[in-house]
Amino acid sequence: EPEVTQTPSHQVTQMGQEVILRCVPISNHLYFYWYRQILGQKVEFLVSFYNNEISEKSEIFDDQFSVERPDGSNFTLKIRSTKLEDSAMYFCAGQQGAINTQYFGPGTRLTVL
Amino acid sequence: AQRVTQPEKLLSVFKGAPVELKCNYSYSGSPELFWYVQYSRQRLQLLLRHISRESIKGFTADLNKGETSFHLKKPFAQEEDSAMYYCALRGNGANNLFFGTGTRLTVIP
Repeated sequence: EPEVTQTPSHQVTQMGQEVILRCVPISNHLYFYWYRQILGQKVEFLVSFYNNEISEKSEIFDDQFSVERPDGSNFTLKIRSTKLEDSAMYFCAGQQGAINTQYFGPGTRLTVL
Repeated sequence: AQRVTQPEKLLSVFKGAPVELKCNYSYSGSPELFWYVQYSRQRLQLLLRHISRESIKGFTADLNKGETSFHLKKPFAQEEDSAMYYCALRGNGANNLFFGTGTRLTVIP
């Protein structure tokens, strides 16, 4: 059964550095998402992406964040200048149609020092 | 504003006992409700969604619009049910999920 994959599984970075988190969604999915989970807190929506553009974003998704799907397969989340509070698990998810189930990746643990 | 409340952070039951994980929501329209489960060292995966009205791994959940609840139930807990359970809501016209804080279920052998 196809699965969403994410790389790396763990990323450690210095405050102020740029990070790119990568996701490979299931091939027939059309809707893509990033969520994050700060340790001990709930899973929070960041952004959704459809038809090569952002369709929704939360308050968390400020100018420091960007997403793209440059080659039709990888779906990336970039944080331009990381802050300590960006430390979290970042989950990618995909969905085939607008009302279908979302399938999640295993997550990338980002640690900002 | 939408809100999903899971009042229990931790829940322990003995194997074979009934289990109920509570979920209450607040939303002005007609949302879609989900339960996701995360087993140890595994990814979030869908357990069930209210529109399917099916039983998965012995779990059921009924949407009660009057009480704005979507509690997850299983009559006889098994050790392999030990996991983190998240209730989630998807609003009208939206695609993103809004999660509760989760309940860690431990089934004691």
